Parts: sequence; structure tokens; C-alpha cells
Amino acid sequence: SYELTQPPSVSVSPGQTARITCSGDALPKQYAYWYQQKPGQAPVLVIYKDSERPSGIPERFSGSSSGTTVTLTISGVQAEDEADYYCQSADSSGTYEVFGGGTKLTVL
Amino acid sequence: EVQLVESGGGLVKPGGSLRLSCAASGFTFSNAWMSWVRQAPGKGLEWVGRIKSKTDGGTTDYAAPVKGRFTISRDDSKNTLYLQMNSLKTEDTAVYYCTTGCDYPRFDYWGQGTLVTVSS
Repeated sequence: SYELTQPPSVSVSPGQTARITCSGDALPKQYAYWYQQKPGQAPVLVIYKDSERPSGIPERFSGSSSGTTVTLTISGVQAEDEADYYCQSADSSGTYEVFGGGTKLTVL
Repeated sequence: EVQLVESGGGLVKPGGSLRLSCAASGFTFSNAWMSWVRQAPGKGLEWVGRIKSKTDGGTTDYAAPVKGRFTISRDDSKNTLYLQMNSLKTEDTAVYYCTTGCDYPRFDYWGQGTLVTVSS
């Protein structure tokens, strides 16, 4: 079955830039989506179609794509950005959605 | 305002069945492709399956771990999404979310989730 691979954890100091990667063989042909989830809450969409930002999401959140890897970048990280982040995409057929294993972002 | 409210979770024995509901409001439910996503305790998100709108065929697709055991359906007259879960296993224990968005598979809106515990 198709898998998306994320690093389990990323740590940054406030004001620095955090980069979270997501790798998958079908990413060159399928869009990626990114979600932020804080403890006890439902996920929140922060990036769609690789690099688009929904309304209400701060400009410090951005996304990019290169080959089989997509990257969520958080510039000028704030304490409130500490959360789990998940990428989502589809398999090569476009039928089945998959989430990455999640990355815990720690703000030191 | 879009609202998704799940219900029907609870404790069930292995091999048992449960039906979850998701009441939707604030958008044209009949036009929406709806999905279920689950999250086991302390684990990541897992896509369970999706149902298309009736105008797009109303077809369903499921993740491999639940295919043949779970069934997604919808009642557009009641603005309600369902998840019928049969032959439940301990590994199905999770919070189940219903979700939809502006353009599938974009998940802009999520319910609060309902906890399903499968245990003897």
C-alpha cells in the first residue's frame, strides 16, 4: 500500500524557520495537503494543492514541491505553532487518500 | 457556518457492529463529497473512506484495512452521513471524524470526532 514518509519530530527556536518534509512516489502527480493538529482538537488545513494557503492561515505558513518530496515551511515560528503536522495525498490512481505518519513540531 | 457533528460512538465487543452518524449544516450537503478519517489513541490520522455526491455517482471507496467491513452511506434529505462498521476489531479503536471541504480531497471542515472503543 502507498505510504507518505515524514520525520517524527522537528525542533526549532522561536523566530526560526521550521521545515517539515513529506516523501511519496506519487507526489509528482498528486497534490499534497498539510494539516496542523493540536492536542484534543480536530485537524486544521494549513496548505492545499502543494502551496496554496486557505484564508485565515498566517502568511508564515508556506508549501513547496520538488519531485517526490513536498515541504511545509513555517517562517518565524511562534510558540502557538507547536503541534503535530500531517501531510495528505492520494495514491497514483487518485482513488485512495493517505496521510503521512505526522511530525511533532517542538518550539524550544 | 459549516458544522459537522458526529455521534454514535461507544464501547463495542470485538466482532460487533456500530453505526456512526455525522449531521451536517451550513453548506449544500447534497453537492459535497464526504469522508471519514480516524485516529487511534496517540497515533496519526488514517483515511477511512469517501462517498461522492449523487450527481457525481454516489460511489464509495475505502482504505484497505476496512474494505468489506465498513460501509459509508448518505441521506441527503437529512443532511446526514453514516458509517456502518461491522466485524469490528480491537485495532478499529479510534476517534472517528467526518470531514469535507471546498474541493475534494481538500478537508477544510472537520467534526469534533466520536470515540469508538473495541474491547472485550
